[in-house]
Amino acid sequence: SQQGEEDPQALSIQEGENATMNCSYKTSINNLQWYRQNSGRGLVHLILIRSNEREKHSGRLRVTLDTSKKSSSLLITASRAADTASYFCATGVQGGSEKLVFGKGTKLTVNP
Amino acid sequence: SAVISQKPSRDICQRGTSLTIQCQVDSQVTMMFWYRQQPGQSLTLIATANQGSEATYESGFVIDKFPISRPNLTFSTLTVSNMSPEDSSIYLCSVGLGGAGELFFGEGSRLTVL
Repeated sequence: SQQGEEDPQALSIQEGENATMNCSYKTSINNLQWYRQNSGRGLVHLILIRSNEREKHSGRLRVTLDTSKKSSSLLITASRAADTASYFCATGVQGGSEKLVFGKGTKLTVNP
Repeated sequence: SAVISQKPSRDICQRGTSLTIQCQVDSQVTMMFWYRQQPGQSLTLIATANQGSEATYESGFVIDKFPISRPNLTFSTLTVSNMSPEDSSIYLCSVGLGGAGELFFGEGSRLTVL
């Protein structure tokens, strides 16, 4: 079964605005990761946050993790049309191997 | 990072036939993962392929339907057997490099079953 649940399922914004996507999960985790998928393509890793971290930045990306609420958020600042893609959170389970469990994803559309 | 090549990138198949998808990695990796992404859906792990041992399948997936080979540390194949339209999906190969846990993905193989 899916571990993560993203919301919203779809998000449409204007270029230059910020986009926030949320992810909730159910079990204890080692880390939480965010991936991006352009239409019909493979996934690209964006950022990883460990279970003992609360916030992480990478360029225009900001990820937060709240293990007490079993939730994470991905913020993309100053969005661009090229950010249009689906974004998935994925969790690495404690005691597990490298395998990840993916959420349902948020489809982001950035309008020029 | 890792560069992963998948073949075929897409195919259209007839019901009842089988198709083998190949995954080639540019470096040696211990584990390779096969995921399925049904239309408009998220990724579901099919199995983990370890070199030198049988693949480990997730609940709902069986070896007879999705046989996997892993002959060496850079290559794996996934076969989708006796296909039906419900098997129409993108099949993705991925690898981890044993570090932080991030995965690298191939571009996927888009399979349409008529």
